[in-house]
Amino acid sequence: AQSVTQPDIHITVSEGASLELRCNYSYGATPYLFWYVQSPGQGLQLLLKYFSGDTLVQGIKGFEAEFKRSQSSFNLRKPSVHWSDAAEYFCAVGADSGAGSYQLTFGKGTKLSVIP
Amino acid sequence: DTGVSQNPRHKITKRGQNVTFRCDPISEHNRLYWYRQTLGQGPEFLTYFQNEAQLEKSRLLSDRFSAERPKGSFSTLEIQRTEQGDSAMYLCASSLALGYTFGSGTRLTVV
Repeated sequence: AQSVTQPDIHITVSEGASLELRCNYSYGATPYLFWYVQSPGQGLQLLLKYFSGDTLVQGIKGFEAEFKRSQSSFNLRKPSVHWSDAAEYFCAVGADSGAGSYQLTFGKGTKLSVIP
Repeated sequence: DTGVSQNPRHKITKRGQNVTFRCDPISEHNRLYWYRQTLGQGPEFLTYFQNEAQLEKSRLLSDRFSAERPKGSFSTLEIQRTEQGDSAMYLCASSLALGYTFGSGTRLTVV
């Protein structure tokens, strides 16, 4: 079964600073990988996804992520954080369960705080 | 707006009561999912529909939970005899294949 680890529960960065959120996954085959963002009391918004091909993936809001198979990682990065980026970020791995469901397994999330 | 719509946004119910949530997916999406998210956790898979057929259910989905998707359009999730442990955000998502679109969720509080 697949699993996702987000080692950092809470990260605080200054506005304008760079950001890297860590994600490690466990899955036997080529994974489908996702990053979602969630504002308080809201649903999840897809930031970016990796299915195959170029291992550096560009997403919305200036985010990017790099798939590193050797490290089983899919870290999320942003060169300059804005106050509006404060939210909770979830990494997820998708797998076809055999019923065609492409079920997602999520990490526990990393809460990002941004200080002025 | 053609996103995934969930109603109600919030529901407070007394322990032992039944509740029902509705999800309206993006119209052309044939796959529909329900997830549950408790405080401080990531979402956990509950069940999956392809068109009107419920093809997969998690072991988290006890016999008090039932989900339907009549005619392959909207879906309902019913919880019977609610317990305090059912308090959570219930998220619906839809897709054509890989990469879901989530709704804003229904926050259930059981008192």
